[in-house]
Amino acid sequence: AQKITQTQPGMFVQEKEAVTLDCTYDTSDQSYGLFWYKQPSSGEMIFLIYQGSYDEQNATEGRYSLNFQKARKSANLVISASQLGDSAMYFCAMTKKSKETSGSRLTFGEGTQLTVNP
Amino acid sequence: DTGVSQDPRHKITKRGQNVTFRCDPISEHNRLYWYRQTLGQGPEFLTYFQNEAQLEKSRLLSDRFSAERPKGSFSTLEIQRTEQGDSAMYLCASSRGRGVDGYTFGSGTRLTVV
Repeated sequence: AQKITQTQPGMFVQEKEAVTLDCTYDTSDQSYGLFWYKQPSSGEMIFLIYQGSYDEQNATEGRYSLNFQKARKSANLVISASQLGDSAMYFCAMTKKSKETSGSRLTFGEGTQLTVNP
Repeated sequence: DTGVSQDPRHKITKRGQNVTFRCDPISEHNRLYWYRQTLGQGPEFLTYFQNEAQLEKSRLLSDRFSAERPKGSFSTLEIQRTEQGDSAMYLCASSRGRGVDGYTFGSGTRLTVV
């Protein structure tokens, strides 16, 4: 079974500073995908970034980067230059397969509530 | 491509009543998923379809829950004899089954059982 652990229920950051949201995972699968989603108060899940288990480079998408440490089974999200609009719930999730054959279920962590202060 | 749409956005029902939710996925996506999210928790997988075939069901999907996806297009999730514990956000997502942009979620249906 797959398991995602997010140990930070809440995080605070000053506007324009960087913040790291922690995520560790547990799986016996060799091939898997890791995702981060943002969920504002409106409820929709917004895809931020993806990392495949065999990807050698850490994923980056604009202000988002994923610090992937496979041996430690961690996939932390780094948000640079925080903006007020980044205040939301952030979820780490994983699937059993890599991007080439994605489509299996997502397993989510419990989330981290990020608050960006002006 | 107008995204994944879910209807209704909110539903309040009395305990014991039946409710049905609808999800319209992105048209070219052949996979459709249902998740349940209770307050303060991450979404939990309920079931998924590839085209019209229901390929996997979670143990969370009790006998009171049923999902369909006729003709591989929209999907419905029905809860019979609702209980207060069914109060949650029900999220639908769709995917093409491959590719990193993977899953697109709808805005969810928030169910309150009173």
